[in-house]
Amino acid sequence: GAVVSQHPSWVICKSGTSVKIECRSLDFQATTMFWYRQFPKQSLMLMATSNEGSKATYEQGVEKDKFLINHASLTLSTLTVTSAHPEDSSFYICSARAGAHNSPLHFGNGTRLTVT
Amino acid sequence: QKEVEQDPGPLSVPEGAIVSLNCTYSNSAFQYFMWYRQYSRKGPELLMYTYSSGNKEDGRFTAQVDKSSKYISLFIRDSQPSDSATYLCAMSLSGNTPLVFGKGTRLSVIA
Repeated sequence: GAVVSQHPSWVICKSGTSVKIECRSLDFQATTMFWYRQFPKQSLMLMATSNEGSKATYEQGVEKDKFLINHASLTLSTLTVTSAHPEDSSFYICSARAGAHNSPLHFGNGTRLTVT
Repeated sequence: QKEVEQDPGPLSVPEGAIVSLNCTYSNSAFQYFMWYRQYSRKGPELLMYTYSSGNKEDGRFTAQVDKSSKYISLFIRDSQPSDSATYLCAMSLSGNTPLVFGKGTRLSVIA
């Protein structure tokens, strides 16, 4: 089946530093990828839609200058958390559709970010 | 009222039991309905994907959609300890619009 790979699976960083998370579609091309955030015992909240070759679309309340998204190729999207703060500690998950526009979303295994 | 309501549980059942998981929703325009399974510290894994009303079966899993009642269900037959996870329902207006997730139901199957 379709595989979405995410790296790293966990990262600890100091307050004020930046962290980059990679999301790759391994056996398909994805013109659109989605970035979600999940707090403990909470559901997934869509942060932004990453579009290959163009600017990402951010959900209301998500700071685009803090969460930089780059989708430079059909198989790679990156999320950079800039000037991280402890409240940015969360589980970040990317997803993509493997086929037609109405095919289901497949998710990566997530990245657990802890900001100290 | 939230768009998608899902009882967070936890739900604990003995091995071999039939499990029923449910979500209700308020937006009658939702057309695509999904169930995902999420193990601790992992990303969600797609279990079932249905369009509009009806039933869909895949092995021990059956998904039901009742659009008239705005109610979807996932049944797990012959539940196994390996089924212990959080089950998330999700739905979307069309095939290319963002998913709206329920909060997830934490299930424990006891051997």
